[in-house]
Amino acid sequence: DQQVKQNSPSLSVQEGRISILNCDYTNSMFDYFLWYKKYPAEGPTFLISISSIKDKNEDGRFTVFLNKSAKHLSLHIVPSQPGDSAVYFCAASAPGNNRLAFGKGNQVVVIP
Amino acid sequence: DSGVTQTPKHLITATGQRVTLRCSPRSGDLSVYWYQQSLDQGLQFLIHYYNGEERAKGNILERFSAQQFPDLHSELNLSSLELGDSALYFCASSVMGGSNEKLFFGSGTQLSVL
Repeated sequence: DQQVKQNSPSLSVQEGRISILNCDYTNSMFDYFLWYKKYPAEGPTFLISISSIKDKNEDGRFTVFLNKSAKHLSLHIVPSQPGDSAVYFCAASAPGNNRLAFGKGNQVVVIP
Repeated sequence: DSGVTQTPKHLITATGQRVTLRCSPRSGDLSVYWYQQSLDQGLQFLIHYYNGEERAKGNILERFSAQQFPDLHSELNLSSLELGDSALYFCASSVMGGSNEKLFFGSGTQLSVL
């Protein structure tokens, strides 16, 4: 049962433009959400997170938006850079449940 | 570099065999998690250890087992291997293993069962 879903497996975007990645979840108990970035032959690396008490968190070029009523979050990367080309995973956890549930990932390709 | 070390990076073996994957967490981290990533799949949680004790189990097969040692390194044992066990196995660590903690991942062990 995939509790975290990422559709549109791949995204191509021009350098300098905005990349928007979407993630939906089904478990209403989730209260902490994260995005991880993964390069080939490397493990996922933490990018940004958001708690359910917030609806937006920003860190430099990366912003995560959370819509709890829709059980939806998104990651905005602006401006996109070639080094952002990677697979992005959405993840979530519930209180007292310290394991992360991951989506299948989105491949992002930033075209110079 | 996340500080999490996994060995070996690649492992090729035959069906029916047994292998051991090793993970050293970041210095100071007490929690270790194991995840499996199969082709076109997200990371599937297998098991979580905190300070030597099993804390949570996910979709881990009975043929798989894990442990965390007093020095906090962890091993994932996979036995009676099948073709479908071919996957990328990640270890991750965190300080306490509580809610709202981010995990730090190793670079993974690519297991190929032939």
